Amino acid sequence: AQRVTQPEKLLSVFKGAPVELKCNYSYSGSPELFWYVQYSRQRLQLLLRHISRESIKGFTADLNKGETSFHLKKPFAQEEDSAMYYCALGRGSTLGRLYFGRGTQLTVWP
Amino acid sequence: GAVVSQHPSRVICKSGTSVKIECRSLDFQATTMFWYRQFPKQSLMLMATSNEGSKATYEQGVEKDKFLINHASLTLSTLTVTSAHPEDSSFYICSAPASTEAFFGQGTRLTVV
Repeated sequence: AQRVTQPEKLLSVFKGAPVELKCNYSYSGSPELFWYVQYSRQRLQLLLRHISRESIKGFTADLNKGETSFHLKKPFAQEEDSAMYYCALGRGSTLGRLYFGRGTQLTVWP
Repeated sequence: GAVVSQHPSRVICKSGTSVKIECRSLDFQATTMFWYRQFPKQSLMLMATSNEGSKATYEQGVEKDKFLINHASLTLSTLTVTSAHPEDSSFYICSAPASTEAFFGQGTRLTVV
């Protein structure tokens, strides 16, 4: 069965500190993984997808199939990074059919 | 990016009544849309895949007779919660894929009293 685990419900760091949001997955097929972000009072939006291997807003995430992980990292957190972050697993070949982790609320203190 | 709009944003209904939630893709066509449900402080749970011109595909454990989905056009999918009960109170979110990503609506807060 597919499963996405985000062990931290809450994460707080100070501005300028490194931040890592953890995500582990369980999936028998070839995984397609995403990070979505939801800023206060806004809708969910895509932050990163593993196949693009890009850096968005200073965030990166590397798929580690051996550890079945897709952790989100940023070397220097900013206050505007405070948001809810969801790790999501693509289900099947249909784009947009997603299995979400429970989310991690990141707070960056000034 | 593409825009997905849900209506209404909030709705309160009485137990036993039905309520319809609309999901529109404003600037693109979507043959497939998805409906999610989110309980307070919990994750989004996929309920069903809405397919334009054909029946919706429901996830395991989701009552198809309770949550009626209609996808009559390439820009509109509707979710009707029938005979609503207080336990149906939740945040319902739709999404639609465009290009290489899924775009989400702003969500609908349903409260059944």
